[in-house]
Amino acid sequence: AQSVAQPEDQVNVAEGNPLTVKCTYSVSGNPYLFWYVQYPNRGLQFLLKYITGDNLVKGSYGFEAEFNKSQTSFHLKKPSALVSDSALYFCAVRDIRGTSGTYKYIFGTGTRLKVLA
Amino acid sequence: GAVVSQHPSWVICKSGTSVKIECRSLDFQATTMFWYRQFPKQSLMLMATSNEGSKATYEQGVEKDKFLINHASLTLSTLTVTSAHPEDSSFYICSAATTGTGSQPQHFGDGTRLSIL
Repeated sequence: AQSVAQPEDQVNVAEGNPLTVKCTYSVSGNPYLFWYVQYPNRGLQFLLKYITGDNLVKGSYGFEAEFNKSQTSFHLKKPSALVSDSALYFCAVRDIRGTSGTYKYIFGTGTRLKVLA
Repeated sequence: GAVVSQHPSWVICKSGTSVKIECRSLDFQATTMFWYRQFPKQSLMLMATSNEGSKATYEQGVEKDKFLINHASLTLSTLTVTSAHPEDSSFYICSAATTGTGSQPQHFGDGTRLSIL
């Protein structure tokens, strides 16, 4: 079965510093990977995805992620953190159900990012 | 674009009541809709996947008769929590996807906080 792991429950970073939120995956076949952000009492917002192509993916709000096949990682990064980036971040992978061809998404446990002023 | 409207955003009701939550894709047709449950400080737990005009696919451990899902059109799915009890109190989030391959991101509603007294 497909899975994703987010090893850090919380990441603290000073405003203006670069940030990294880690995600590793385990899939059979080519992975479809996603990052989402969740603000309190809200649904999730899409940040970026990797399906194929360039390993460095650029997304919304200045975020980017690097797909690393050998390390099975898809870490989220931003060169300069803002206080407003403080939120809960989820990594997700597509999981195909058996032979039916239908799919679902598997989410990591989430990482809370705190950007300190 | 790609807006998903979920309502109500907050429900407080007595034990034994049935509660219906609506999820609408406002500006696109959703081939697949997903229903998640999120506990405090935890990840999203997929409850079921629904495709327009067909029966929902429930995840293991989710009671079909308790959580009724209807996906009557390409823009509307509903989740009815029947005879709700305090243990059903949670944050319920729906999402919608536009393709059958899972290569496009999900678009999430803002969630419904359900409190059963």
